[in-house]
Amino acid sequence: GEQVEQLPSILRVQEGSSASINCSYEDSASNYFPWYKQEPGENPKLIIDIRSNMERKQIQELIVLLDKKAKRFSLHITDTQPGDSAMYFCARASSSFSKLVFGQGTSLSVVP
Amino acid sequence: EAAVTQSPRNKVTVTGGNVTLSCRQTNSHNYMYWYRQDTGHGLRLIHYSYGAGNLQIGDVPDGYKATRTTQEDFFLLLELASPSQTSLYFCASSATGAGNTLYFGEGSRLIVV
Repeated sequence: GEQVEQLPSILRVQEGSSASINCSYEDSASNYFPWYKQEPGENPKLIIDIRSNMERKQIQELIVLLDKKAKRFSLHITDTQPGDSAMYFCARASSSFSKLVFGQGTSLSVVP
Repeated sequence: EAAVTQSPRNKVTVTGGNVTLSCRQTNSHNYMYWYRQDTGHGLRLIHYSYGAGNLQIGDVPDGYKATRTTQEDFFLLLELASPSQTSLYFCASSATGAGNTLYFGEGSRLIVV
């Protein structure tokens, strides 16, 4: 019930194309779903999040979709650039909002 | 941006050794977390705390103790280190829990030989 499944684990896309990362969870009480980006040698940083009262959120080239019925959420990066190459983690907050459970991570490479 | 400082940044110890990882945040955040990062497993929660003197068990607590001595300081203790604890450890803080941004430290890389 605690796990967050994240796929794919490795993603390689052409510069200028879109990249999509998918996550699924089991706990229907989850209400908050953030995404963190970790550049090589750096710490994870929050890039976008979505709460359960929304189905879609966009910040510049980042789009997050949430399907609560299916217990799935996803990150879409449009017009990818080399600077988007990094590890991406999805996460969900526990129903008590006391802790974040992270997915296994996706290593994204944007190639010319 | 919130400041979270970890020490040491790198540590090598022998099997059975005693290790303490330190974390300090100066943002008056209530919540502090210890995660370990391993390839294929992402970030896994070891222990967390919502205030001085408080300790909550995370998802992978075996072999670890933790102590929150003040609002600023959160320590992770490995009293009998094993090679399976070789990992990259991150401390994080958050103002009021997981519904807010987690601010991570720079990480502490531990190698147990």
